[in-house]
Amino acid sequence: KNEVEQSPQNLTAQEGEFITINCSYSVGISALHWLQQHPGGGIVSLFMLSSGKKKHGRLIATINIQEKHSSLHITASHPRDSAVYICAVGTDKLIFGTGTRLQVFP
Amino acid sequence: DAGITQSPRYKITETGRQVTLMCHQTWSHSYMFWYRQDLGHGLRLIYYSAAADITDKGEVPDGYVVSRSKTENFPLTLESATRSQTSVYFCASSVFYTGELFFGEGSRLTVL
Repeated sequence: KNEVEQSPQNLTAQEGEFITINCSYSVGISALHWLQQHPGGGIVSLFMLSSGKKKHGRLIATINIQEKHSSLHITASHPRDSAVYICAVGTDKLIFGTGTRLQVFP
Repeated sequence: DAGITQSPRYKITETGRQVTLMCHQTWSHSYMFWYRQDLGHGLRLIYYSAAADITDKGEVPDGYVVSRSKTENFPLTLESATRSQTSVYFCASSVFYTGELFFGEGSRLTVL
């Protein structure tokens, strides 16, 4: 079993929909990261969180340490949100999930 | 411009050749990392460096060599490229080991 599991692996949505991507992990962590990788390949850090919730624009990340689970929400999705979203957990190292591919259609 | 840059962005080489991928950052971050990204795998750490002249192996170091003589540069060398090293390579930097990562644009390497 992978230490970091993301679901779903693939997700399609219509513009305007509310989107949730999930990340579950099986190890103790110091922080959890959400990254975005656009079709062009570049990777950017969206959030780093160790408790509670963070919000940036239409993106919201939550984490439940007891449940070992995090969610990334996108409100009012837009085609430019189409990307691969990667969860990574920090222990004594960073462990990456394999990503969730999101496609948002107009 | 400030940031982290990789070169070359694309490289095709032959089995057995030496290849060096360059990485340069302007933030003076202590930590620098090399990852490879392959289908079906998450990003996998090849090598990292905590400071100039301090490097350590990651998850998949075999076949790779790194150096860090200056804080801002962290080149990755494939001494004798193999087909299994065909991949997309990402350099990243961070203030601390599990801190927020800042990625380069990636280098796509094909070994024929």
